[in-house]
Amino acid sequence: EVHLVQSGAEMKKPGESLKISCKGSGYIFANYWIGWVRQMPGKGLEWMGIIFPGDSDTRYSPSFQGQVTISVDKSISTAYLQWGSLKASDTAIYYCAIYSSNWLDKNWFKSWGQGTLVTVSS
Amino acid sequence: DIQMTQSPSSLSASVGDSVSITCRASQSIVTYLNWYQQKPGKAPELLIYSASALQSGVPSRFTGGGSGTDFTLTISSLQPADFATYYCQQSYSAPHTFGQGTNLEIK
Repeated sequence: EVHLVQSGAEMKKPGESLKISCKGSGYIFANYWIGWVRQMPGKGLEWMGIIFPGDSDTRYSPSFQGQVTISVDKSISTAYLQWGSLKASDTAIYYCAIYSSNWLDKNWFKSWGQGTLVTVSS
Repeated sequence: DIQMTQSPSSLSASVGDSVSITCRASQSIVTYLNWYQQKPGKAPELLIYSASALQSGVPSRFTGGGSGTDFTLTISSLQPADFATYYCQQSYSAPHTFGQGTNLEIK
């Protein structure tokens, strides 16, 4: 059975850096795209970007390009989402999720992590 | 980016009713349209992929249809567990944008 387990809630101050994680199990980690989705308080889902662990091919939404970095460590089946300098507007729940195959397009998120709440406040 | 517009944004219905949610894409996405359900405090779950394919384990009262730019999610004979927020997502081309969501509430 596929499991995605995300790191715990974080409380940070504006300007601080942060890296959250998503560990996959129950499947061949390298073979499936892992995406990150933002959900701001009381708002909808936003597709941030996605990475293929097999070759680290990464695609970002223009809205998030340059604002975050997506990476993976295949050796420990873990994907990461990181910020260099957090803003209050980064306060949100962040979900990781895997696509159903090794295609980028024409695909769907078949399994989701439990979400990581990031709170940025002075 | 392809823009996805759902309607309505919110919907009230009773147990046993049938409801439909519409999702419109800003350009043709063929049938590369997915539907997710999200309950409060939980991660989204896949309901339907490729416009009309029912994800394993999802009740048959959920049906999806459409192609090109216009798509519909229909829920027949609403059950208490169905009151949630529903999102469409296009996967025709990255970024794979979501609709803004439809909140289905109990009347």
